[in-house]
This record gives sequence, C-alpha cells and structure tokens, in this order.
Amino acid sequence: GAGVSQSPRYKVAKRGQDVALRCDPISGHVSLFWYQQALGQGPEFLTYFQNEAQLDKSGLPSDRFFAERPEGSVSTLKIQRTQQEDSAVYLCASSFLGGRARETQYFGPGTRLLVL
Amino acid sequence: EDQVTQSPEALRLQEGESSSLNCSYTVSGLRGLFWYRQDPGKGPEFLFTLYSAGEEKEKERLKATLTKKESFLHITAPKPEDSATYLCAARSNDYKLSFGAGTTVTVRA
Repeated sequence: GAGVSQSPRYKVAKRGQDVALRCDPISGHVSLFWYQQALGQGPEFLTYFQNEAQLDKSGLPSDRFFAERPEGSVSTLKIQRTQQEDSAVYLCASSFLGGRARETQYFGPGTRLLVL
Repeated sequence: EDQVTQSPEALRLQEGESSSLNCSYTVSGLRGLFWYRQDPGKGPEFLFTLYSAGEEKEKERLKATLTKKESFLHITAPKPEDSATYLCAARSNDYKLSFGAGTTVTVRA
C-alpha cells in the first residue's frame, strides 16, 4: 500500500464501552508498532509485533488494553471498559524489517479516541 | 529509563527568520536519533535519522546535527509551510522510540 492506514479516524465512546482500532501497515512490512499520543505530548510506545508475534507489550497501560496481529499483517488494538483517561490519539507505525536499529518507522494518521 | 527533552515548547518566527530547535537526550547506548514533523490531525512524518556524534543531514531548509548529548534542528529562512510540530525521538534498542514532547513552530508571512 501507499502508506499506513488506520480506521476509524475518529471514535467517540461512552465510558465503559469496548473499542477496536484497526491498523493496515505498509504492504510487506514485518514490524508493527502502536503508540499513544496525549494532547500536547509526544507519542508513547505501547507494543511491538514482528510478523504475528507480539515481542514487547511493556507499554500497555493496563490489562484493559489488548493488541493482536493474527496473520502478520493487519493489527487491532482493543480497549475494554474504556475510561476517560484513555482519550488520546492512537498511532500505528510499521517498518520493513524487524529488530534493526537503523530501521525507519512510518506512521499512520492515527485514530482520535474520545471517551465521554 | 530513556529521556528526551525538547526546547522551546513553542517558537514563533517571521518568514525568513532562521532559528534552531533543541533535543537533549539521556539514553543508555544511543542506536539512532530521529526527527519527525507532525501537522495537526496527522501522524508523524519522517525527516531524518542520525547515528553518531558529528553527523549532519539536510533536507531543503532543514538541517539536523547530533552531539553526544543533544541534537539540533536548524531551520534556515523558514516559510509558512514549515509551520508544524517537530518531534525528536531516541532509540536505545532495536525498535522502541522514546519521543520528546515536541516543538511547535509557527512561521508568519
């Protein structure tokens, strides 16, 4: 594909609802990353996949957050029982290979989540 | 824990007025220093990667430099279209980026 795509672009949820955010990485990219960006802040790392394997989930804020990439391409970030503090932009990034320090991560446009 | 601090938080420039943005980092074994540009409502757009002290990279009116503790993004003769938030990120392992909070640059015509 031409770039990383994410859907939906905007999501409004009532507190307590479950949400699912989708990421389509650049075609052929092995590595996929999720970041959370609060208003006025830089992105913060959530989790990292290499193909279908989730190699690092140390940044997930709580056990209400769950990410998967079952076939090594599309990924879904799921948030259960949303809270107001979950309101943020969720960014997905991908890179061509995995585990290479010189790799560039390319970001999607993000999903803006607002929890009321 | 890796730390990245950017200054100033905001910068207002007149068109043609050159300036520099600062990114200081504390990481255990820097594996790369990345600069991204982010426009409102969009994801970060890759600009540069620097790997070792003394390295410099240029793209149009932007020039990034790296020392052992800091990186600078110099904007020469900026135009209004250079208005954006500029993010720097440090990598201390093979994949995780630690971002600063960004510098929001506004260039007035």
